[in-house]
Amino acid sequence: GAVVSQHPSWVICKSGTSVKIECRSLDFQATTMFWYRQFPKQSLMLMATSNEGSKATYEQGVEKDKFLINHASLTLSTLTVTSAHPEDSSFYICSAVRGGEQYFGPGTRLTVT
Amino acid sequence: QQQVKQSPQSLIVQKGGISIINCAYENTAFDYFPWYQQFPGKGPALLIAIRPDVSEKKEGRFTISFNKSAKQFSLHIMDSQPGDSATYFCAASMHSGGSNYKLTFGKGTLLTVNP
Repeated sequence: GAVVSQHPSWVICKSGTSVKIECRSLDFQATTMFWYRQFPKQSLMLMATSNEGSKATYEQGVEKDKFLINHASLTLSTLTVTSAHPEDSSFYICSAVRGGEQYFGPGTRLTVT
Repeated sequence: QQQVKQSPQSLIVQKGGISIINCAYENTAFDYFPWYQQFPGKGPALLIAIRPDVSEKKEGRFTISFNKSAKQFSLHIMDSQPGDSATYFCAASMHSGGSNYKLTFGKGTLLTVNP
């Protein structure tokens, strides 16, 4: 149990366009989900905490107007990268909390050309 | 400020050997210490976790040793196998006080197990 999915698994977009990434908890409900980004050979960097029914809490230095997070249901959180630029290219990973544990999705590879 | 320091950065072990990865933390409010395994292009997966009320936890070939006074914890992988080759992250969080279970990660250790 405690399966988390992400869609898409990879996406290529042009500079200036927006991209939406979905994170779903498949077999449990999650009040809290997290969004991370990870650059090659580096650790996970927390971007924001997503709480169902309320505004996301962003970490210092993360632009909330650029990385829009919506947690509209107990099984779905979305991250929209607006006006994407090449420097936004990264591996984006979500996690969902169940029983005090974070269960991670498989990640989404975003490449901005 | 890095609150969880992980070492070594990389580790090469022969098949059947013991892999040891160490972490040290600064925030004494941390009360939950998980280890994650990540394969290339995949999300991290929880391996094993410990709380500070015990000094050791073992699950199969994986053992966490915890030293509260030294604020250190380590992962031991016994009988290391080539399939264990991955990046390992230690983490810490506060499970009390309304922290939302936010994790602070170490920088990771790339483990290579040679056949």
